Amino acid sequence: AQSVTQPDIHITVSEGASLELRCNYSYGATPYLFWYVQSPGQGLQLLLKYFSGDTLVQGIKGFEAEFKRSQSSFNLRKPSVHWSDAAEYFCAVGALNTGTASKLTFGTGTRLQVTL
Amino acid sequence: GAGVSQSPSNKVTEKGKDVELRCDPISGHTALYWYRQSLGQGLEFLIYFQGNSAPDKSGLPSDRFSAERTGGSVSTLTIQRTQQEDSAVYLCASSSGRVGGPSYEQYFGPGTRLTVT
Repeated sequence: AQSVTQPDIHITVSEGASLELRCNYSYGATPYLFWYVQSPGQGLQLLLKYFSGDTLVQGIKGFEAEFKRSQSSFNLRKPSVHWSDAAEYFCAVGALNTGTASKLTFGTGTRLQVTL
Repeated sequence: GAGVSQSPSNKVTEKGKDVELRCDPISGHTALYWYRQSLGQGLEFLIYFQGNSAPDKSGLPSDRFSAERTGGSVSTLTIQRTQQEDSAVYLCASSSGRVGGPSYEQYFGPGTRLTVT
C-alpha cells in the first residue's frame, strides 16, 4: 500500500524568505508524485508533478520539487515566498492501474503562514 | 466545460436523510474520482471511474455510500441515512484517462461542503 508523510503540520515563514516543505512517500514501484495547494474555501490546484526523467521539476507560481529516490522524498521548495502563498499544501502519490491513472494517496498537509 | 464543477457548493441536511452530490468533469476526461476531506481523516479516496470499466469502490466507507456515472460523464455520489460523521467536503476530480504521464494529472472541483445536523 502507498502512503505519504508530511512531517510539518504548520510552518511560518517571513515574506521573501525561502521555503521547503517536506514530503516522504512509501510505494513499492516507481511513484507518480504531486504537490497540490489549497487556499481557504477552494479546491485543490496542481502545483507540479513528477512522472519520470529529470528529478528536479518546475511548477507554477515559482515552485520546484526534487525527487530523491534514495530518500523516498519529494520536497517542495520556493526561493522567495510571497504573502499570497499562504495556504495548505498537500503531497500525493499516485499508483498505476493497468497503465492508466488511479487513485491518489495524500499526506495530511502542511499549513503555510507568511508573515509580512 | 473549462474545469470540474460540483453542485451544490454547500448542503445542510438532517441526520437520517439521503443526499446527492453532483460532479461534472472536464469535457473529454474519461476518469473521474471522488475524495472526501474531513478534519479527522484528511483527504481520503472514495471511488474511481475509468471509462466503461467497473469502478474502484475500495474507498467507500460503508454501504450507505454509492456513486454512479451516467453516459461516461456526470457523476452522482449518494449518501443514504446520513450520519454526523459524514460531515465533510466532498471533492471530485477528473483526468484524461489516457495512458501516459500527463494523463495522471487530476484536476479538482471546488467541492461540496456537507453538514449533517
